[in-house]
Amino acid sequence: GAGVSQTPSNKVTEKGKYVELRCDPISGHTALYWYRQSLGQGPEFLIYFQGTGAADDSGLPNDRFFAVRPEGSVSTLKIQRTERGDSAVYLCASSRPDPINEQFFGPGTRLTVL
Amino acid sequence: GDSVTQMEGPVTLSEEAFLTINCTYTATGYPSLFWYVQYPGEGLQLLLKATKADDKGSNKGFEATYRKETTSFHLEKGSVQVSDSAVYFCAQTQTDSWGKFQFGAGTQVVVTP
Repeated sequence: GAGVSQTPSNKVTEKGKYVELRCDPISGHTALYWYRQSLGQGPEFLIYFQGTGAADDSGLPNDRFFAVRPEGSVSTLKIQRTERGDSAVYLCASSRPDPINEQFFGPGTRLTVL
Repeated sequence: GDSVTQMEGPVTLSEEAFLTINCTYTATGYPSLFWYVQYPGEGLQLLLKATKADDKGSNKGFEATYRKETTSFHLEKGSVQVSDSAVYFCAQTQTDSWGKFQFGAGTQVVVTP
């Protein structure tokens, strides 16, 4: 079956602009995770959904970052007033409900803020 | 705060050599521990996991034992192959913050023929 997909694969934007990053999880996976990965670092947790609700959003760095999952499937990560420091690869993963289960990662969206 | 620390890379080995990648964690509770691997050009994928002290995770010839006394989860393989060249990430999640995963910085392993 299809894996986790993320669009766009690359996004270049200017400082101060708004961006949306989309994640399509594996069908039937109720848990969905967003991470941010900078060069040479491991994934940094941003937010975790169970179904439609954010079970833990403690990793969002500030109020410019927001994520939604209105129907419990597709999720969108929204970044307002982008800053150069937001440049990174944004990873999405999904899993069966229990986080002990394997997370399946998407290919990521590379965000570059000029 | 809670964190995962793993040895820096790159680790360069010859084929059939023994591989160890050290991983230690700090946690207020009792985490579950994971190793994820990222092969060149691919996304992260689960390699193995352990959910309680003294558990051993194993997969594809790799093993790691959850050592509570040393707060460690070192990854080992007895005889590496060129195809094991990848970046390896140690990670944890805790029962009081289920779903909030912390990853180490990753260790690049390069296996030469």
